[in-house]
Amino acid sequence: ELKVEQNPLFLSMQEGKNYTIYCNYSTTSDRLYWYRQDPGKSLESLFVLLSNGAVKQEGRLMASLDTKARLSTLHITAAVHDLSATYFCAVDMAYNNNDMRFGAGTRLTVKP
Amino acid sequence: DTGVSQNPRHKITKRGQNVTFRCDPISEHNRLYWYRQTLGQGPEFLTYFQNEAQLEKSRLLSDRFSAERPKGSFSTLEIQRTEQGDSAMYLCASSLSSGGEVFGPGTRLTVT
Repeated sequence: ELKVEQNPLFLSMQEGKNYTIYCNYSTTSDRLYWYRQDPGKSLESLFVLLSNGAVKQEGRLMASLDTKARLSTLHITAAVHDLSATYFCAVDMAYNNNDMRFGAGTRLTVKP
Repeated sequence: DTGVSQNPRHKITKRGQNVTFRCDPISEHNRLYWYRQTLGQGPEFLTYFQNEAQLEKSRLLSDRFSAERPKGSFSTLEIQRTEQGDSAMYLCASSLSSGGEVFGPGTRLTVT
Protein backbone atom coordinates (compact mmCIF):
# COMPACT_ATOMS: atom_id res chain seq x y z
CA GLU A 1 0.00 0.00 0.00
CA LEU A 2 1.28 3.43 -0.89
CA LYS A 3 2.46 5.53 2.00
CA VAL A 4 3.23 9.22 1.75
CA GLU A 5 5.17 10.69 4.63
CA GLN A 6 5.90 14.32 5.21
CA ASN A 7 8.26 15.80 7.72
CA PRO A 8 8.22 17.80 9.71
CA LEU A 9 4.52 17.82 10.55
CA PHE A 10 4.84 21.09 12.41
CA LEU A 11 7.31 23.83 11.59
CA SER A 12 7.73 27.16 13.31
CA MET A 13 10.26 29.47 11.78
CA GLN A 14 11.35 33.06 11.92
CA GLU A 15 10.84 35.44 9.04
CA GLY A 16 13.84 35.58 6.79
CA LYS A 17 14.98 32.03 7.48
CA ASN A 18 15.23 29.11 5.07
CA TYR A 19 13.83 25.62 5.55
CA THR A 20 12.97 22.46 3.66
CA ILE A 21 9.92 20.23 3.93
CA TYR A 22 10.37 16.61 2.87
CA CYS A 23 7.93 14.23 1.24
CA ASN A 24 8.80 10.53 0.96
CA TYR A 25 6.61 7.99 -0.76
CA SER A 26 6.75 4.24 -0.93
CA THR A 27 5.88 3.18 -4.47
CA THR A 28 6.65 4.04 -8.07
CA SER A 29 5.16 7.27 -9.29
CA ASP A 30 6.33 10.06 -11.53
CA ARG A 31 3.75 12.64 -10.60
CA LEU A 32 3.86 14.59 -7.42
CA TYR A 33 1.90 17.64 -6.38
CA TRP A 34 2.28 20.26 -3.70
CA TYR A 35 -0.73 22.05 -2.31
CA ARG A 36 -1.24 24.85 0.17
CA GLN A 37 -4.22 24.98 2.52
CA ASP A 38 -5.17 27.94 4.70
CA PRO A 39 -7.34 27.28 7.78
CA GLY A 40 -10.92 26.53 6.82
CA LYS A 41 -10.14 26.80 3.13
CA SER A 42 -9.74 24.35 0.29
CA LEU A 43 -6.48 23.32 -1.34
CA GLU A 44 -4.56 25.58 -3.67
CA SER A 45 -2.27 23.96 -6.21
CA LEU A 46 1.33 25.12 -5.90
CA PHE A 47 3.44 22.80 -8.04
CA VAL A 48 3.00 19.86 -10.37
CA LEU A 49 6.15 17.78 -10.77
CA LEU A 50 5.93 15.33 -13.65
CA SER A 51 9.36 13.79 -14.07
CA ASN A 52 12.53 12.81 -12.30
CA GLY A 53 14.69 15.83 -11.63
CA ALA A 54 11.84 18.29 -12.09
CA VAL A 55 12.38 21.57 -10.28
CA LYS A 56 9.85 24.37 -10.12
CA GLN A 57 10.01 27.71 -8.38
CA GLU A 58 7.40 30.28 -7.54
CA GLY A 59 8.41 33.22 -5.42
CA ARG A 60 9.99 32.01 -2.18
CA LEU A 61 9.02 28.37 -2.76
CA MET A 62 10.92 25.81 -4.79
CA ALA A 63 9.90 22.19 -5.27
CA SER A 64 11.93 19.29 -6.61
CA LEU A 65 11.35 15.63 -7.38
CA ASP A 66 13.71 12.67 -7.26
CA THR A 67 11.72 9.65 -8.41
CA LYS A 68 14.61 7.26 -7.84
CA ALA A 69 14.81 8.24 -4.19
CA ARG A 70 11.01 8.61 -4.05
CA LEU A 71 11.54 12.00 -2.49
CA SER A 72 10.24 15.48 -3.08
CA THR A 73 11.30 18.62 -1.28
CA LEU A 74 9.65 21.99 -0.82
CA HIS A 75 12.24 24.62 0.00
CA ILE A 76 11.30 27.90 1.58
CA THR A 77 13.64 30.83 1.10
CA ALA A 78 13.56 33.91 3.34
CA ALA A 79 10.20 33.04 4.83
CA VAL A 80 7.53 35.70 5.30
CA HIS A 81 4.42 35.61 7.48
CA ASP A 82 2.12 35.17 4.46
CA LEU A 83 3.59 31.72 3.89
CA SER A 84 1.99 30.47 7.11
CA ALA A 85 -0.32 27.62 6.06
CA THR A 86 -0.45 23.84 5.85
CA TYR A 87 1.45 22.32 2.94
CA PHE A 88 0.52 18.93 1.52
CA CYS A 89 2.34 16.75 -0.93
CA ALA A 90 0.32 14.26 -2.94
CA VAL A 91 1.46 11.35 -5.05
CA ASP A 92 -0.45 10.35 -8.15
CA MET A 93 -1.36 6.67 -8.20
CA ALA A 94 -1.93 6.77 -11.95
CA TYR A 95 -0.14 3.48 -12.45
CA ASN A 96 -2.48 1.75 -10.07
CA ASN A 97 -5.91 3.18 -9.61
CA ASN A 98 -5.87 6.85 -10.48
CA ASP A 99 -6.22 8.28 -7.04
CA MET A 100 -3.92 10.65 -5.27
CA ARG A 101 -2.53 9.89 -1.86
CA PHE A 102 -1.82 12.83 0.36
CA GLY A 103 0.72 13.24 3.09
CA ALA A 104 -0.45 14.32 6.51
CA GLY A 105 0.61 17.90 5.85
CA THR A 106 3.18 20.26 7.31
CA ARG A 107 1.73 23.06 9.36
CA LEU A 108 4.02 26.02 8.85
CA THR A 109 4.00 29.06 11.10
CA VAL A 110 6.24 31.96 10.21
CA LYS A 111 6.86 34.31 13.10
CA PRO A 112 7.94 37.94 12.73
CA ASP B 1 -16.33 31.96 -11.90
CA THR B 2 -14.79 29.10 -13.83
CA GLY B 3 -13.47 27.11 -10.88
CA VAL B 4 -14.88 24.05 -9.13
CA SER B 5 -17.97 24.83 -7.09
CA GLN B 6 -19.57 22.83 -4.32
CA ASN B 7 -22.93 23.13 -2.61
CA PRO B 8 -23.82 23.47 0.12
CA ARG B 9 -20.74 24.91 1.79
CA HIS B 10 -21.90 23.82 5.22
CA LYS B 11 -24.36 21.16 6.30
CA ILE B 12 -25.47 20.30 9.81
CA THR B 13 -27.57 17.18 10.14
CA LYS B 14 -28.76 14.83 12.80
CA ARG B 15 -27.42 11.32 13.04
CA GLY B 16 -29.39 8.94 10.87
CA GLN B 17 -30.42 11.51 8.28
CA ASN B 18 -29.40 11.38 4.64
CA VAL B 19 -27.42 14.18 3.03
CA THR B 20 -26.48 14.97 -0.55
CA PHE B 21 -23.69 17.20 -1.78
CA ARG B 22 -23.19 18.59 -5.25
CA CYS B 23 -20.02 19.36 -7.17
CA ASP B 24 -19.80 21.31 -10.41
CA PRO B 25 -16.38 20.76 -11.98
CA ILE B 26 -14.54 22.94 -14.43
CA SER B 27 -16.51 22.42 -17.62
CA GLU B 28 -13.75 21.03 -19.82
CA HIS B 29 -12.41 18.65 -17.16
CA ASN B 30 -13.31 15.03 -17.76
CA ARG B 31 -12.14 13.70 -14.40
CA LEU B 32 -13.87 14.31 -11.11
CA TYR B 33 -12.75 13.21 -7.67
CA TRP B 34 -14.25 13.16 -4.20
CA TYR B 35 -12.11 13.34 -1.08
CA ARG B 36 -12.82 13.49 2.62
CA GLN B 37 -10.68 15.52 4.98
CA THR B 38 -10.84 15.44 8.76
CA LEU B 39 -9.25 18.02 11.00
CA GLY B 40 -5.49 17.89 10.97
CA GLN B 41 -5.29 15.27 8.23
CA GLY B 42 -4.66 15.25 4.54
CA PRO B 43 -7.50 14.55 2.12
CA GLU B 44 -8.46 10.88 1.73
CA PHE B 45 -9.51 9.62 -1.66
CA LEU B 46 -13.11 8.41 -1.86
CA THR B 47 -13.99 7.94 -5.51
CA TYR B 48 -13.16 9.03 -9.04
CA PHE B 49 -15.08 9.49 -12.30
CA GLN B 50 -13.83 9.65 -15.83
CA ASN B 51 -16.69 11.35 -17.64
CA GLU B 52 -19.80 9.57 -16.35
CA ALA B 53 -18.08 6.33 -15.41
CA GLN B 54 -17.16 5.73 -11.79
CA LEU B 55 -13.80 4.01 -12.13
CA GLU B 56 -12.51 3.71 -8.60
CA LYS B 57 -13.92 3.54 -5.12
CA SER B 58 -11.91 3.61 -1.94
CA ARG B 59 -12.35 1.06 0.83
CA LEU B 60 -13.34 4.09 2.89
CA LEU B 61 -16.53 4.36 0.87
CA SER B 62 -18.98 2.21 2.78
CA ASP B 63 -22.34 1.08 1.46
CA ARG B 64 -23.87 4.20 2.97
CA PHE B 65 -21.98 6.36 0.47
CA SER B 66 -22.94 6.66 -3.16
CA ALA B 67 -21.73 8.99 -5.87
CA GLU B 68 -23.06 9.72 -9.30
CA ARG B 69 -22.03 11.81 -12.24
CA PRO B 70 -24.91 11.70 -14.71
CA LYS B 71 -24.02 12.94 -18.19
CA GLY B 72 -20.41 13.42 -17.14
CA SER B 73 -20.98 16.91 -15.82
CA PHE B 74 -21.86 17.67 -12.18
CA SER B 75 -21.58 15.02 -9.50
CA THR B 76 -23.46 14.23 -6.32
CA LEU B 77 -22.25 12.45 -3.21
CA GLU B 78 -24.94 11.02 -0.97
CA ILE B 79 -24.44 9.74 2.54
CA GLN B 80 -27.27 7.66 3.97
CA ARG B 81 -27.95 7.14 7.66
CA THR B 82 -25.23 9.58 8.67
CA GLU B 83 -23.02 8.82 11.65
CA GLN B 84 -21.01 11.18 13.79
CA GLY B 85 -17.86 9.77 12.26
CA ASP B 86 -18.98 11.14 8.90
CA SER B 87 -18.34 14.68 10.13
CA ALA B 88 -15.62 16.04 7.88
CA MET B 89 -14.89 18.34 4.99
CA TYR B 90 -15.89 16.76 1.68
CA LEU B 91 -13.76 18.03 -1.17
CA CYS B 92 -14.41 17.71 -4.86
CA ALA B 93 -11.69 18.15 -7.46
CA SER B 94 -11.58 17.98 -11.23
CA SER B 95 -8.86 17.61 -13.81
CA LEU B 96 -8.05 16.87 -17.38
CA SER B 97 -6.60 13.44 -18.06
CA SER B 98 -3.09 14.83 -18.09
CA GLY B 99 -3.31 17.55 -15.49
CA GLY B 100 -3.27 18.24 -11.81
CA GLU B 101 -6.44 18.42 -9.80
CA VAL B 102 -8.24 21.67 -9.07
CA PHE B 103 -10.10 21.58 -5.79
CA GLY B 104 -13.43 23.11 -4.91
CA PRO B 105 -14.09 24.98 -1.67
CA GLY B 106 -15.48 21.91 0.06
CA THR B 107 -18.63 21.06 1.96
CA ARG B 108 -18.24 20.92 5.72
CA LEU B 109 -20.54 18.28 7.22
CA THR B 110 -21.37 18.22 10.90
CA VAL B 111 -23.39 15.28 12.20
CA THR B 112 -24.91 15.89 15.62
